[in-house]
Amino acid sequence: SQTIHQWPATLVQPVGSPLSLECTVEGTSNPNLYWYRQAAGRGLQLLFYSVGIGQISSEVPQNLSASRPQDRQFILSSKKLLLSDSGFYLCAWSPRLGLAKNIQYFGAGTRLSVL
Amino acid sequence: AQKVTQAQTEISVVEKEDVTLDCVYETRDTTYYLFWYKQPPSGELVFLIRRNSFDEQNEISGRYSWNFQKSTSSFNFTITASQVVDSAVYFCALFGTYKYIFGTGTRLKVLA
Repeated sequence: SQTIHQWPATLVQPVGSPLSLECTVEGTSNPNLYWYRQAAGRGLQLLFYSVGIGQISSEVPQNLSASRPQDRQFILSSKKLLLSDSGFYLCAWSPRLGLAKNIQYFGAGTRLSVL
Repeated sequence: AQKVTQAQTEISVVEKEDVTLDCVYETRDTTYYLFWYKQPPSGELVFLIRRNSFDEQNEISGRYSWNFQKSTSSFNFTITASQVVDSAVYFCALFGTYKYIFGTGTRLKVLA
């Protein structure tokens, strides 16, 4: 069965520090991958999505970036965090083909606090 | 433009009551998918159901049921005989051309 791992679960970082959040998917190949941010009490904002290695689409211009160095690995990064980057970050994957096509499956999330 | 509206920000019910969560969507796509997700306090979003735009049959799964009506662009979710474990934030989502659009969520509180 497929599983998605996301870490760390919580993170407290000072303003101006770098960020690296990692997400990996097991049990499938060539998935679509997504990064979302959820501000406190708000809905989900799509940040990046990827349909293949090295293929990243950005939805919101900001100081975050994403990379997909391997088929099932998706990394969210920042060189210098801002206070406004605080939030709950969720990684998700969806299969390209099959009955479950287009269903997104989410990781457990990372709660980031920028102080 | 694509849009998903969940007008109910928060709903409180007493255990065993029925509750309906509303979802209204906008899209120009002729083929699209609608979803409901549950976000318990732990934070992880749990997939509940997917519906494609060509299938307007209502669906029932245990205490959960979904009413999809293209005529009113609605995809409502009903929990029958609610339980405390149903307390969560519920998101409705739309997938059209290439991206997912989520509603702002409805927080359901089921009181014992």
